[in-house]
Amino acid sequence: DTAVSQTPKYLVTQMGNDKSIKCEQNLGHDTMYWYKQDSKKFLKIMFSYNNKELIINETVPNRFSPKSPDKAHLNLHINSLELGDSAVYFCASSQGPGGYTNTQYFGPGTRLTVL
Amino acid sequence: GQQLNQSPQSMFIQEGEDVSMNCTSSSIFNTWLWYKQEPGEGPVLLIALYKAGELTSNGRLTAQFGITRKDSFLNISASIPSDVGIYFCAGQSAGSYQLTFGKGTKLSVIP
Repeated sequence: DTAVSQTPKYLVTQMGNDKSIKCEQNLGHDTMYWYKQDSKKFLKIMFSYNNKELIINETVPNRFSPKSPDKAHLNLHINSLELGDSAVYFCASSQGPGGYTNTQYFGPGTRLTVL
Repeated sequence: GQQLNQSPQSMFIQEGEDVSMNCTSSSIFNTWLWYKQEPGEGPVLLIALYKAGELTSNGRLTAQFGITRKDSFLNISASIPSDVGIYFCAGQSAGSYQLTFGKGTKLSVIP
């Protein structure tokens, strides 16, 4: 059983399109995250939800909108895609947002390519 | 913001050699985590450290939470080809919800 799963694994799209990436965790965790990993492999936090409530919202263009329909799911919708959005996007989850509960488990990633 | 320096950036070693990498922070962390990422995969948790001075092992891997709470190291003993990957440290400071990641150490093992 996959603990943190993401779909799709690969996403190739044209500039200007709108796309969504889905994430699900079956670990019973309360907190979920979206990270962006650039070509230099740097992992940067984008958003975090705890019990469906937004707790981290880094400096991210407002074309990116996370949605958490329930604790087990955190989706990422991107409007008007740009070339610079090309990256690997990782979903992660943790038991809670702080201390030892913040040990995060990552999904396999979604490689987004914008042409 | 917080800065996390991870070194070395990359390493080429012979199979069987021991490996050491470390991270230092500009501020105190309450948690240190070490992850490994293989090509096309997400980071996988190797070791979690929650107390200053803590030394924890996971097979051939050993990690320590520095006594100053501003650093951590990861050692791999008797490296094997499947140790290849990028190793990331990550830390969390008190009162913060987020992990700060190092820039990674890319390990290559020559058979």
